[in-house]
Amino acid sequence: SQTIHQWPATLVQPVGSPLSLECTVEGTSNPNLYWYRQAAGRGLQLLFYSVGIGQISSEVPQNLSASRPQDRQFILSSKKLLLSDSGFYLCAWSLSALSNEQFFGPGTRLTVL
Amino acid sequence: EDKVVQSPLSLVVHEGDTVTLNCSYEVTNFRSLLWYKQEKKAPTFLFMLTSSGIEKKSGRLSSILDKKELFSILNITATQTGDSAVYLCAANSGGSNYKLTFGKGTLLTVNP
Repeated sequence: SQTIHQWPATLVQPVGSPLSLECTVEGTSNPNLYWYRQAAGRGLQLLFYSVGIGQISSEVPQNLSASRPQDRQFILSSKKLLLSDSGFYLCAWSLSALSNEQFFGPGTRLTVL
Repeated sequence: EDKVVQSPLSLVVHEGDTVTLNCSYEVTNFRSLLWYKQEKKAPTFLFMLTSSGIEKKSGRLSSILDKKELFSILNITATQTGDSAVYLCAANSGGSNYKLTFGKGTLLTVNP
């Protein structure tokens, strides 16, 4: 069966520090991968998605970047965090062609002080 | 711009009540509508709806889609305290990457 992992679970970082959040998926090949942010208003905002290694699409201009160095690994990064980057970051995956149901990881709660 | 609107934003009921959560959408190349339940962490999948008028049911939860009027409802009968959560609705806007546009969710609180 498929599982999705995210780490760390929680993170407190000062403004201006770098960020690296990691997401890995097990039990499937060539998944579509997604990064979402959920702020206090509860809505999920799609940040990035990837349909394959090295292929990243950005949904909103921002202070963050994403990379997919391996088929089942998705990384969210920032060179310098802003206060507004605080939130709950969720990674999700879906099968590439058969289903549009997305499965979510446990999330990382990021607080920027 | 794709848009999904949920109502109400929050709802407080007593155990045993029946609730109806609403979701309206405007997305290009609509493919499907999904409902998720989010308690403390990751959203968990409830239903995916692709056809109008066909009810999907799982225990006390059911959902239906109206593609003509562009909305969906999620019903929960005989609510229990364990149903307390944020319920998220998302519309898939087509293409090969299966992007979902989420609503802000409905916070349901079920009191004993």
